[in-house]
Amino acid sequence: DAGITQSPRYKITETGRQVTLMCHQTWSHSYMFWYRQDLGHGLRLIYYSAAADITDKGEVPDGYVVSRSKTENFPLTLESATRSQTSVYFCASSSSGGNNEQFFGPGTRLTVL
Amino acid sequence: GEDVEQSLFLSVREGDSSVINCTYTDSSSTYLYWYKQEPGAGLQLLTYIFSNMDMKQDQRLTVLLNKKDKHLSLRIADTQTGDSAIYFCAEENYGGSQGNLIFGKGTKLSVKP
Repeated sequence: DAGITQSPRYKITETGRQVTLMCHQTWSHSYMFWYRQDLGHGLRLIYYSAAADITDKGEVPDGYVVSRSKTENFPLTLESATRSQTSVYFCASSSSGGNNEQFFGPGTRLTVL
Repeated sequence: GEDVEQSLFLSVREGDSSVINCTYTDSSSTYLYWYKQEPGAGLQLLTYIFSNMDMKQDQRLTVLLNKKDKHLSLRIADTQTGDSAIYFCAEENYGGSQGNLIFGKGTKLSVKP
């Protein structure tokens, strides 16, 4: 399907486990982003990528790892999940020109027990 | 550092006008944005304004920009129950990388019938 998709939509895991959240976009957008949304904090940027093989830290990168081997995919890995990483995670993408509009995926609700 | 502030809640009656306010800090933002998030969904761009404009109107939406005070507002005329959502103000973050946006915490708009 065209657009930006995330999988899984819902995930429950346990403390200490590794979890990977997937993000895929079909527009060949250069930029991709990962945010977490928590009550009282709004959206906080975890990591972003300006192009394939280029990634950079956002506001809250600790405990997360990203990769961007292909333009269309931007997986986010929690190497050892903690309860504080329970959140809703949003992936977004944008093209390199124009008005920098970001297109958001539907989100992944992650619960760490 | 960059920061975007907005009030967290707004409640209006159906048919009234809603005004959501936002203050931002980065005067170099070329565009300022309003995003809408409906329950259980990702953010969607509602409208944006170019920084050299004072006002932009799009059907029921009016965006006002006061660059001197770094104040942005979104007015929704004839508010409907379907407008109930969280509205995010966003500015561009050139301190990071082109394409990065800084989001406010969001204003939850509740529309009472």
